[in-house]
Amino acid sequence: GIQVEQSPPDLILQEGANSTLRCNFSDSVNNLQWFHQNPWGQLINLFYIPSGTKQNGRLSATTVATERYSLLYISSSQTTDSGVYFCAVGNGAGAGSYQLTFGKGTKLSVIP
Amino acid sequence: DTGVSQDPRHKITKRGQNVTFRCDPISEHNRLYWYRQTLGQGPEFLTYFQNEAQLEKSRLLSDRFSAERPKGSFSTLEIQRTEQGDSAMYLCASSFNISPTGELFFGEGSRLTVL
Repeated sequence: GIQVEQSPPDLILQEGANSTLRCNFSDSVNNLQWFHQNPWGQLINLFYIPSGTKQNGRLSATTVATERYSLLYISSSQTTDSGVYFCAVGNGAGAGSYQLTFGKGTKLSVIP
Repeated sequence: DTGVSQDPRHKITKRGQNVTFRCDPISEHNRLYWYRQTLGQGPEFLTYFQNEAQLEKSRLLSDRFSAERPKGSFSTLEIQRTEQGDSAMYLCASSFNISPTGELFFGEGSRLTVL
């Protein structure tokens, strides 16, 4: 199966700082999503981005499918950004593309 | 609330008992997925449905695990003869069949503790 590696595993930021989270994957994919898991365990979808670049407010993501990596950028970090960020990928057909393989996540702590 | 709903949110049971979790997906979504998450790990895929058809179940962890979606709406995940290793968060997610944006939406999860 696909291997997903996320880096760094842990990150501590001062409020207002910027950061880049990386996701490497071992095979071609047709589905890639970034999620934020808040301290209460809720997984929130941030981006569906199997290729290209997207932006949503202070967050943006870029996937270079040919080189098998994706980056999540967080700018002007806030304490509410704390939590675990997961990259998840899939390469099945149709609904099977949502049999996502998750990385182990990057735990982000933003301190005031 | 129009999000994915899971019940119960927490379940404590004794080893050997059966437990059942329910998931109500977003109403217009016809795809439903079950994942399991253990402490410090990312979610792990278990099974999924398109309408009432279970299209993949080989990733269910053992024959003690079963899932149903009888009318293509809500789904249940049952674990028979629970073991301490079954302690985890069980997550349900749903999505559109054909979505322009492609996101997978997760519920808040059902946390199982087996004593």
